[in-house]
Amino acid sequence: DTGVSQDPRHKITKRGQNVTFRCDPISEHNRLYWYRQTLGQGPEFLTYFQNEAQLEKSRLLSDRFSAERPKGSFSTLEIQRTEQGDSAMYLCASSTGRATNEKLFFGSGTQLSVL
Amino acid sequence: DAKTTQPPSMDCAEGRAANLPCNHSTISGNEYVYWYRQIHSQGPQYIIHGLKNNETNEMASLIITEDRKSSTLILPHATLRDTAVYYCIAHSPFASGGSYIPTFGRGTSLIVHP
Repeated sequence: DTGVSQDPRHKITKRGQNVTFRCDPISEHNRLYWYRQTLGQGPEFLTYFQNEAQLEKSRLLSDRFSAERPKGSFSTLEIQRTEQGDSAMYLCASSTGRATNEKLFFGSGTQLSVL
Repeated sequence: DAKTTQPPSMDCAEGRAANLPCNHSTISGNEYVYWYRQIHSQGPQYIIHGLKNNETNEMASLIITEDRKSSTLILPHATLRDTAVYYCIAHSPFASGGSYIPTFGRGTSLIVHP
């Protein structure tokens, strides 16, 4: 257990539905990352928060995707009007942001299947 | 972040040392080398990191060449539970130019066999 929890672990939805995932980082970590991973690929960066501020977004993050981190605590990732291509593992990671020790702590991920 | 290159797959006999190479020839002076591993259906797990000195912890050793253009992760006595995908990334949280996102490639799939 890394201390980063994600909910739900699995989500099955029909195309066109909206889904929301939650990530609870380690409490003292001020950085939070979202990644997406498909079979056989490494994690692909989606977006990143420094406390409550969303500082960077990948081109992968279309306008159907939105992420929030209210009050710099937990974060949510919402996908609107899901498509079959959104099927993937969605990973959350947190870190302290220290220059000499920026190791990431990952959650177990949310596996999304869009039918 | 510097681009890293790893072999797609390796295998190792149980009990032997596993040496996983990584090339990061464009690494900048303030970027650390981090290693993670991912066991099927789980999130990546941090293993070790270093800047220019060799590092060792309870999981592995990290050897970084003097020019910092490559590194090797060493699992001294591999077990079946070390079968996983291993990722090497070069990263600084404060890299100039604004690109400071930890970027993962496809990693090396290590299979430890009996």
